[in-house]
Amino acid sequence: DVKVTQSSRYLVKRTGEKVFLECVQDMDHENMFWYRQDPGLGLRLIYFSYDVKMKEKGDIPEGYSVSREKKERFSLILESASTNQTSMYLCASSLWGTNPYEQYFGPGTRLTVT
Amino acid sequence: KNEVEQSPQNLTAQEGEFITINCSYSVGISALHWLQQHPGGGIVSLFMLSSGKKKHGRLIATINIQEKHSSLHITASHPRDSAVYICAVGMVGSGYALNFGKGTSLLVTP
Repeated sequence: DVKVTQSSRYLVKRTGEKVFLECVQDMDHENMFWYRQDPGLGLRLIYFSYDVKMKEKGDIPEGYSVSREKKERFSLILESASTNQTSMYLCASSLWGTNPYEQYFGPGTRLTVT
Repeated sequence: KNEVEQSPQNLTAQEGEFITINCSYSVGISALHWLQQHPGGGIVSLFMLSSGKKKHGRLIATINIQEKHSSLHITASHPRDSAVYICAVGMVGSGYALNFGKGTSLLVTP
């Protein structure tokens, strides 16, 4: 079974702090994604990566950066957290070859910025 | 960008009822996902389809490529089906990212 894990289920940070959200998958997937989910807006793509050290901006990259130094790990970084980044953050991964759209999701991190 | 519309937004049903959730999208796709999210956040994939119909237990998903429309049906609904159901589409050239509908919140009462 594919397992996608995220470093924290709940996180509370202060405005201006640097925040790291970590995502690890154990199935050698090439593609990894970071989404945020907000009530009434659904899931929106922040960044994705299709290979180590490769990254692409999604629909809402402002205020975020990412890092993919190893194939299994994809980190989302909030350089200076703001209250409008309070949200649920979901990581996902997929395999390049057979079914690249079949994404497997992590449990999510609910981030509150105060 | 593919606009994905789901209806209804909220749905309350009595146990045993037949339920239909609809999804329409604006641009041709490579694949369509139906996802389920229970309170607490975890998302699981129910179906991925690009044509026709798929069935798994009491769940049935259909897609009409010409009409750019998909439906998720739940037969003999049960309170444990209460969750948010999300439609998502993938397009060639999108980097394999998905565009998501806003979700349908389903409550099945005993």
